Amino acid sequence: GQQVMQIPQYQHVQEGEDFTTYCNSSTTLSNIQWYKQRPGGHPVFLIQLVKSGEVKKQKRLTFQFGEAKKNSSLHITATQTTDVGTYFCAGLSSYDKVIFGPGTSLSVIP
Amino acid sequence: EAGVVQSPRYKIIEKKQPVAFWCNPISGHNTLYWYLQNLGQGPELLIRYENEEAVDDSQLPKDRFSAERLKGVDSTLKIQPAELGDSAVYLCASSLGLYRATNNEQFFGPGTRLTVL
Repeated sequence: GQQVMQIPQYQHVQEGEDFTTYCNSSTTLSNIQWYKQRPGGHPVFLIQLVKSGEVKKQKRLTFQFGEAKKNSSLHITATQTTDVGTYFCAGLSSYDKVIFGPGTSLSVIP
Repeated sequence: EAGVVQSPRYKIIEKKQPVAFWCNPISGHNTLYWYLQNLGQGPELLIRYENEEAVDDSQLPKDRFSAERLKGVDSTLKIQPAELGDSAVYLCASSLGLYRATNNEQFFGPGTRLTVL
């Protein structure tokens, strides 16, 4: 069946360092969404990418959708302690299946 | 605007007992999702409703799980009988509509943490 993978599973960075998480789908996606979940909280929507090769920025966060619409990335510049949490990608397949990746847990050392 | 409401927030039951979770989505949201989330993992879709129709229940263990969204608004997820492996957080989410090109972000409720003893 369709799978969505994320790497790395965990990332520990010093405050001020950059962070990148990668999302890969086994099948072509209609769109991809990114969510952030703080410890003890629920997922909160960050952004949606729809077009092939799309790049979107939100302050220090940069999101990309691959040309083949099978992979995506989230890059955070100059991490802050408020960036701590788990970042999930969620892909919508051409069969209208919503699949979340396993997430990348980010720790920021002050 | 009120967010997605779920109750109860916590539930502890013994195995083989029934349990039910309730979700009230954001007003006007046509799509409602039930997810299961185990510790350290991503949400796993159990069922998705478009209005009152269950359009994706392929991951719902139908021998013990059931769900309903009778009037296309709030929804109930039931487990009967519960097993030890059902211990997890059950998340409800809603969105305006899955097929919209924009503004179909999912809004999640706080979840129900189920512990089966």
